[in-house]
Amino acid sequence: DAKTTQPPSMDCAEGRAANLPCNHSTISGNEYVYWYRQIHSQGPQYIIHGLKNNETNEMASLIITEDRKSSTLILPHATLRDTAVYYCIVRVAGAGSYQLTFGKGTKLSVIP
Amino acid sequence: DVKVTQSSRYLVKRTGEKVFLECVQDMDHENMFWYRQDPGLGLRLIYFSYDVKMKEKGDIPEGYSVSREKKERFSLILESASTNQTSMYLCASSSSGQGLNTEAFFGQGTRLTVV
Repeated sequence: DAKTTQPPSMDCAEGRAANLPCNHSTISGNEYVYWYRQIHSQGPQYIIHGLKNNETNEMASLIITEDRKSSTLILPHATLRDTAVYYCIVRVAGAGSYQLTFGKGTKLSVIP
Repeated sequence: DVKVTQSSRYLVKRTGEKVFLECVQDMDHENMFWYRQDPGLGLRLIYFSYDVKMKEKGDIPEGYSVSREKKERFSLILESASTNQTSMYLCASSSSGQGLNTEAFFGQGTRLTVV
Protein backbone atom coordinates (compact mmCIF):
# COMPACT_ATOMS: atom_id res chain seq x y z
CA ASP A 1 0.00 0.00 0.00
CA ALA A 2 1.11 3.56 -0.71
CA LYS A 3 2.33 5.74 2.13
CA THR A 4 0.73 8.99 3.23
CA THR A 5 2.05 12.26 4.66
CA GLN A 6 0.00 14.44 6.98
CA PRO A 7 0.85 17.48 9.10
CA PRO A 8 1.28 16.46 12.75
CA SER A 9 -1.16 19.02 14.11
CA MET A 10 -3.68 21.70 13.15
CA ASP A 11 -5.95 24.15 14.93
CA CYS A 12 -9.40 25.23 13.80
CA ALA A 13 -11.85 27.73 15.27
CA GLU A 14 -15.19 26.31 16.35
CA GLY A 15 -17.83 26.77 13.65
CA ARG A 16 -15.29 27.18 10.87
CA ALA A 17 -14.40 24.61 8.24
CA ALA A 18 -11.50 22.32 9.07
CA ASN A 19 -9.44 21.33 6.03
CA LEU A 20 -7.08 18.44 6.67
CA PRO A 21 -4.56 17.69 3.90
CA CYS A 22 -2.97 14.38 2.98
CA ASN A 23 -0.27 13.63 0.42
CA HIS A 24 -0.17 10.21 -1.22
CA SER A 25 2.06 10.79 -4.24
CA THR A 26 2.76 7.08 -4.82
CA ILE A 27 -0.88 6.01 -4.87
CA SER A 28 -1.75 3.29 -7.37
CA GLY A 29 -4.70 3.36 -9.72
CA ASN A 30 -6.66 0.80 -7.73
CA GLU A 31 -6.02 2.28 -4.28
CA TYR A 32 -8.74 4.09 -2.37
CA VAL A 33 -8.24 6.98 0.06
CA TYR A 34 -9.75 6.35 3.50
CA TRP A 35 -10.11 8.72 6.43
CA TYR A 36 -10.53 7.72 10.06
CA ARG A 37 -10.46 9.67 13.28
CA GLN A 38 -9.69 8.74 16.85
CA ILE A 39 -11.10 10.63 19.76
CA HIS A 40 -9.07 10.31 22.92
CA SER A 41 -9.24 6.85 24.57
CA GLN A 42 -11.57 5.42 21.92
CA GLY A 43 -11.02 3.15 18.94
CA PRO A 44 -10.66 4.79 15.51
CA GLN A 45 -13.87 5.65 13.69
CA TYR A 46 -14.39 5.48 9.93
CA ILE A 47 -15.27 8.84 8.32
CA ILE A 48 -15.26 8.57 4.54
CA HIS A 49 -13.43 7.06 1.58
CA GLY A 50 -13.13 7.60 -2.18
CA LEU A 51 -11.33 6.50 -5.32
CA LYS A 52 -11.16 9.51 -7.63
CA ASN A 53 -14.42 11.42 -7.36
CA ASN A 54 -15.17 13.82 -4.54
CA GLU A 55 -17.33 12.28 -1.85
CA THR A 56 -19.65 13.69 0.80
CA ASN A 57 -21.53 12.13 3.67
CA GLU A 58 -23.12 13.34 6.87
CA MET A 59 -19.78 13.67 8.60
CA ALA A 60 -17.43 15.20 6.03
CA SER A 61 -16.42 15.84 2.43
CA LEU A 62 -13.43 14.31 0.69
CA ILE A 63 -11.74 16.19 -2.13
CA ILE A 64 -9.25 14.18 -4.22
CA THR A 65 -7.03 16.01 -6.71
CA GLU A 66 -7.27 15.06 -10.35
CA ASP A 67 -3.86 13.36 -10.31
CA ARG A 68 -4.90 11.60 -7.07
CA LYS A 69 -1.61 12.48 -5.40
CA SER A 70 -3.27 14.36 -2.58
CA SER A 71 -6.62 14.78 -0.87
CA THR A 72 -8.34 17.01 1.66
CA LEU A 73 -10.84 16.05 4.31
CA ILE A 74 -13.27 18.87 5.04
CA LEU A 75 -15.31 19.13 8.22
CA PRO A 76 -17.68 21.95 7.19
CA HIS A 77 -18.54 23.32 10.65
CA ALA A 78 -16.07 22.06 13.21
CA THR A 79 -17.28 21.54 16.76
CA LEU A 80 -15.36 20.85 19.95
CA ARG A 81 -16.32 17.17 19.59
CA ASP A 82 -14.32 17.02 16.35
CA THR A 83 -11.10 17.39 18.33
CA ALA A 84 -9.31 14.13 17.49
CA VAL A 85 -6.43 12.56 15.58
CA TYR A 86 -7.32 12.16 11.90
CA TYR A 87 -5.73 9.41 9.85
CA CYS A 88 -5.46 9.29 6.06
CA ILE A 89 -4.86 5.82 4.59
CA VAL A 90 -4.59 4.50 1.07
CA ARG A 91 -5.30 0.89 0.33
CA VAL A 92 -6.55 -1.44 -2.33
CA ALA A 93 -10.09 -2.58 -1.67
CA GLY A 94 -11.36 -6.00 -2.59
CA ALA A 95 -10.17 -9.54 -2.49
CA GLY A 96 -6.46 -9.89 -1.75
CA SER A 97 -6.13 -6.47 -0.14
CA TYR A 98 -6.20 -7.02 3.57
CA GLN A 99 -3.70 -4.82 5.28
CA LEU A 100 -4.81 -1.52 6.78
CA THR A 101 -1.77 0.48 7.87
CA PHE A 102 -2.06 3.73 9.83
CA GLY A 103 0.48 6.55 9.92
CA LYS A 104 0.76 9.07 12.76
CA GLY A 105 -2.15 11.22 11.62
CA THR A 106 -3.01 14.86 12.22
CA LYS A 107 -4.04 16.01 15.68
CA LEU A 108 -6.88 18.49 15.11
CA SER A 109 -7.67 20.84 17.95
CA VAL A 110 -10.95 22.77 17.66
CA ILE A 111 -10.66 26.01 19.59
CA PRO A 112 -13.73 27.68 21.19
CA ASP B 1 -24.61 -1.38 13.92
CA VAL B 2 -21.39 -3.30 13.52
CA LYS B 3 -19.95 -4.32 16.80
CA VAL B 4 -16.37 -5.22 17.53
CA THR B 5 -16.04 -6.26 21.13
CA GLN B 6 -12.80 -6.67 23.02
CA SER B 7 -12.97 -8.83 26.10
CA SER B 8 -11.33 -6.42 28.52
CA ARG B 9 -11.00 -2.66 28.73
CA TYR B 10 -8.10 -2.78 31.22
CA LEU B 11 -5.69 -5.58 32.09
CA VAL B 12 -2.74 -5.80 34.43
CA LYS B 13 -0.41 -8.79 34.02
CA ARG B 14 2.94 -9.82 35.40
CA THR B 15 6.13 -10.21 33.41
CA GLY B 16 6.38 -13.72 31.98
CA GLU B 17 2.65 -14.44 32.06
CA LYS B 18 0.84 -15.77 29.03
CA VAL B 19 -1.79 -13.22 28.03
CA PHE B 20 -4.82 -13.68 25.80
CA LEU B 21 -6.65 -10.72 24.28
CA GLU B 22 -9.95 -11.67 22.71
CA CYS B 23 -11.90 -9.91 19.98
CA VAL B 24 -15.31 -10.78 18.58
CA GLN B 25 -17.15 -9.16 15.66
CA ASP B 26 -20.77 -9.68 14.68
CA MET B 27 -20.81 -8.62 11.01
CA ASP B 28 -19.46 -11.78 9.34
CA HIS B 29 -16.34 -9.87 8.25
CA GLU B 30 -13.56 -11.80 6.57
CA ASN B 31 -10.71 -9.57 7.75
CA MET B 32 -9.64 -9.01 11.32
CA PHE B 33 -6.68 -7.01 12.64
CA TRP B 34 -4.71 -6.45 15.82
CA TYR B 35 -2.91 -3.14 16.40
CA ARG B 36 -1.04 -1.59 19.25
CA GLN B 37 -0.98 2.11 19.90
CA ASP B 38 1.74 3.95 21.78
CA PRO B 39 2.20 7.70 22.33
CA GLY B 40 4.01 9.33 19.42
CA LEU B 41 3.98 6.14 17.32
CA GLY B 42 0.41 6.01 16.07
CA LEU B 43 -1.24 2.67 15.33
CA ARG B 44 1.05 -0.19 14.38
CA LEU B 45 -0.21 -3.41 12.84
CA ILE B 46 0.76 -6.58 14.71
CA TYR B 47 -1.11 -9.31 12.81
CA PHE B 48 -4.07 -9.64 10.53
CA SER B 49 -6.24 -12.48 9.32
CA TYR B 50 -8.21 -12.69 6.08
CA ASP B 51 -9.98 -15.98 6.78
CA VAL B 52 -10.44 -18.65 9.39
CA LYS B 53 -7.10 -20.22 10.34
CA MET B 54 -5.25 -17.77 8.08
CA LYS B 55 -2.88 -15.14 9.45
CA GLU B 56 -0.31 -12.71 8.19
CA LYS B 57 2.37 -10.77 10.05
CA GLY B 58 2.03 -7.04 10.24
CA ASP B 59 4.77 -4.53 10.99
CA ILE B 60 5.61 -5.61 14.55
CA PRO B 61 4.76 -9.30 15.07
CA GLU B 62 7.68 -10.14 17.35
CA GLY B 63 6.57 -11.37 20.75
CA TYR B 64 3.00 -12.00 19.61
CA SER B 65 0.98 -14.78 18.04
CA VAL B 66 -2.64 -14.98 16.94
CA SER B 67 -5.41 -17.51 16.57
CA ARG B 68 -8.50 -17.50 14.40
CA GLU B 69 -10.44 -20.72 14.84
CA LYS B 70 -13.83 -19.14 14.10
CA LYS B 71 -14.70 -16.36 11.68
CA GLU B 72 -16.04 -14.03 14.35
CA ARG B 73 -13.18 -14.38 16.84
CA PHE B 74 -9.55 -13.26 16.61
CA SER B 75 -7.25 -13.74 19.56
CA LEU B 76 -3.93 -12.05 20.25
CA ILE B 77 -1.50 -14.02 22.41
CA LEU B 78 1.49 -12.75 24.31
CA GLU B 79 3.42 -15.93 25.03
CA SER B 80 5.54 -14.35 27.76
CA ALA B 81 4.52 -10.81 28.57
CA SER B 82 7.21 -8.19 28.91
CA THR B 83 7.09 -4.61 30.15
CA ASN B 84 7.69 -3.26 26.64
CA GLN B 85 4.36 -4.78 25.65
CA THR B 86 2.52 -2.35 27.90
CA SER B 87 0.27 -0.58 25.42
CA MET B 88 -3.23 0.04 24.10
CA TYR B 89 -4.32 -2.88 21.92
CA LEU B 90 -6.98 -2.34 19.27
CA CYS B 91 -8.88 -4.95 17.32
CA ALA B 92 -10.62 -4.20 14.01
CA SER B 93 -12.60 -6.02 11.35
CA SER B 94 -13.55 -5.30 7.75
CA SER B 95 -15.25 -6.87 4.78
CA SER B 96 -13.32 -8.00 1.72
CA GLY B 97 -15.85 -6.50 -0.69
CA GLN B 98 -14.99 -4.22 -3.62
CA GLY B 99 -14.78 -0.49 -2.87
CA LEU B 100 -17.90 0.14 -0.87
CA ASN B 101 -18.44 -1.22 2.61
CA THR B 102 -14.81 -2.13 3.16
CA GLU B 103 -14.15 0.30 5.97
CA ALA B 104 -12.69 -1.08 9.17
CA PHE B 105 -14.61 -1.08 12.44
CA PHE B 106 -12.66 -0.90 15.67
CA GLY B 107 -13.22 -2.10 19.18
CA GLN B 108 -12.82 0.19 22.17
CA GLY B 109 -9.35 -1.08 22.94
CA THR B 110 -7.66 -2.96 25.77
CA ARG B 111 -5.15 -1.06 27.85
CA LEU B 112 -2.61 -3.66 28.96
CA THR B 113 -0.10 -2.95 31.67
CA VAL B 114 2.71 -5.46 32.26
CA VAL B 115 4.40 -5.11 35.64
